[in-house]
Amino acid sequence: GAVVSQHPSRVICKSGTSVKIECRSLDFQATTMFWYRQFPKQSLMLMATSNEGSKATYEQGVEKDKFLINHASLTLSTLTVTSAHPEDSSFYICSAREDLEYGYTFGSGTRLTVV
Amino acid sequence: GDSVTQMEGPVTLSEEAFLTINCTYTATGYPSLFWYVQYPGEGLQLLLKATKADDKGSNKGFEATYRKETTSFHLEKGSVQVSDSAVYFCALSDRGSSASKIIFGSGTRLSIRP
Repeated sequence: GAVVSQHPSRVICKSGTSVKIECRSLDFQATTMFWYRQFPKQSLMLMATSNEGSKATYEQGVEKDKFLINHASLTLSTLTVTSAHPEDSSFYICSAREDLEYGYTFGSGTRLTVV
Repeated sequence: GDSVTQMEGPVTLSEEAFLTINCTYTATGYPSLFWYVQYPGEGLQLLLKATKADDKGSNKGFEATYRKETTSFHLEKGSVQVSDSAVYFCALSDRGSSASKIIFGSGTRLSIRP
């Protein structure tokens, strides 16, 4: 079945630094990838939708200059949290969709802690 | 807009009990419906899905039937195990648009006592 690899699984960074999270579809080409944020004991909040070769579409309230998304190929999307602050600490999850007929495959998530 | 409502947790059951987690949806189109499961510290795994009315999705003893007349997709399992303890998310997606995205319910935390 479809597999999405997300790295790193955990990262601790200092306040003010930037962190990059990678999301790769291993055995299929993902025309669309999604980035979610999940707070403790809450549901997933969609942050942005990225299509290969075009700019990401951000959900209302998500700062596009803070959360930079790049989808340069059909198998790789990256989320960069710029100038991270403690309030950015969260669980970030990506998902990929191969086409409209298939469901969404999720990565295993990245626990970001900003100290 | 489209939305998903599922029963609030936490739900605590004894091993071998019968499980139902209710899920209802509102959608303008004809969505696909999903149940995802999230184990502690992990991402989401697709548990089952249904793409049209009266379809029954099933996996690992879990079942859910796409009921268009009641706009529901309740998750059931006849005999739960401790290993089923996790958070369960009901979700929908409008397949008809390239701009479609998946919309999640709030999640239901399930704890099974030995």
